[in-house]
Amino acid sequence: AQSVTQLGSHVSVSEGALVLLRCNYSSSVPPYLFWYVQYPNQGLQLLLKYTSAATLVKGINGFEAEFKKSETSFHLTKPSAHMSDAAEYFCAVSSGRFGGSQGNLIFGKGTKLSVKP
Amino acid sequence: DAGVTQSPTHLIKTRGQQVTLRCSPKSGHDTVSWYQQALGQGPQFIFQYYEEEERQRGNFPDRFSGHQFPNYSSELNVNALLLGDSALYLCASSLATGTGHLEQFFGPGTRLTVL
Repeated sequence: AQSVTQLGSHVSVSEGALVLLRCNYSSSVPPYLFWYVQYPNQGLQLLLKYTSAATLVKGINGFEAEFKKSETSFHLTKPSAHMSDAAEYFCAVSSGRFGGSQGNLIFGKGTKLSVKP
Repeated sequence: DAGVTQSPTHLIKTRGQQVTLRCSPKSGHDTVSWYQQALGQGPQFIFQYYEEEERQRGNFPDRFSGHQFPNYSSELNVNALLLGDSALYLCASSLATGTGHLEQFFGPGTRLTVL
């Protein structure tokens, strides 16, 4: 079975500081990995996705993530935090008998990012 | 281009009642997935519909059922509501073919409160 673990339910950074949100996955098959962001009272928006191409993936709003197979990790980073980055972030792995990306998503419990002025 | 839309936005029901939630996928998408997000948790997969059939199902009881219509819109039905069914219900659409299937687009959700 596939699973996702997000380390740290809350992360607080100062504006302009590095953002690092951690995600570790478990998968018996090559995974597809995703980071989503959720603003209050809204649905999920895709930040970036790993689909077995380049291991360093660039997404929207200056975020990027690196797939490290040896560490089973897919941590999300942003060099300089902005107040508008305050939201909840979810890491997800795809699963399902149809395999790969057509399967359902398995989400972590989320990390709430706070940005201090 | 309208994204994924869901109705209603909020819903309050009492235990034992039945509820129907609706979802219209993003234009051109043919696959709809439903997720339940309890407060403080990540979304959990309920089921996925493609070509009007349930293609995959998560670990949810039979009280949860769905339907997909020829225009690809979908409904989620929950019978015999329990307090624990209170959650944000998210609909996501995707395209089953080509590279578009790598991304699921989420709607804003329906907040269901069971009293």
